[in-house]
Amino acid sequence: QVQLLESGPGLVKPSDTLSLTCNVSRDSMGYFYWTWIRQPPGGGLEWVGYIFYDGSANYNPSLESRVSMSVDTSKNQVSLRLTSLTAADTAIYYCARGQNTGTFPVFWGQGTLVTVSS
Amino acid sequence: EIVLTQSPDFQSVTPKEKVTITCRASLYIGTNLHWYQQKPGQSPRLLVKFASQSFPGVPSRFSGRGSGTEFTLTINSLETEDAATYYCHQSARTPLTFGGGSRVEIK
Repeated sequence: QVQLLESGPGLVKPSDTLSLTCNVSRDSMGYFYWTWIRQPPGGGLEWVGYIFYDGSANYNPSLESRVSMSVDTSKNQVSLRLTSLTAADTAIYYCARGQNTGTFPVFWGQGTLVTVSS
Repeated sequence: EIVLTQSPDFQSVTPKEKVTITCRASLYIGTNLHWYQQKPGQSPRLLVKFASQSFPGVPSRFSGRGSGTEFTLTINSLETEDAATYYCHQSARTPLTFGGGSRVEIK
């Protein structure tokens, strides 16, 4: 069973950099697309971007100048980095994995709430 | 960017009734359209992939149809546990996008 668990700081200050980690259950890494999605409180889902197991990535143009992702198969981890934070980045951040060669999310983590506030 | 427009935004439905949610894409996406269910306080859950393929473990009352630019998710014989927000999602072209969501309330 695929298990994903996001972790992060919870509260960050405006202009800071956010670093989130998604810990993946053993034997669930493989040749998949890893996606980050975020959801502001009471709002809808926003695609942040995805990264393939080989490190090739595609980001939402609205965030492209501030976002980066990485995959570390030795640690069973996927990471998200988002710079120059503002209150508009306050959201639940989800890590998700695709299936076969699909880019759409199939298996989701529980999400981690990130609040940007001074 | 491909815009997905869902309708209706909200509906209040009696148990055992049939529910239909529509998702319209601003450009042709073939069958690269997927449906998710999100209950309050939970992560989204995949219901249907590639417009009409039910994901394993999903109750048979959930079904999807469509191709091109118009898609529907149908819940036959609504149950109380189906109270949730439903999202469509396209993977035809980056940036991938989600619809705005359709909330289903149980009367």
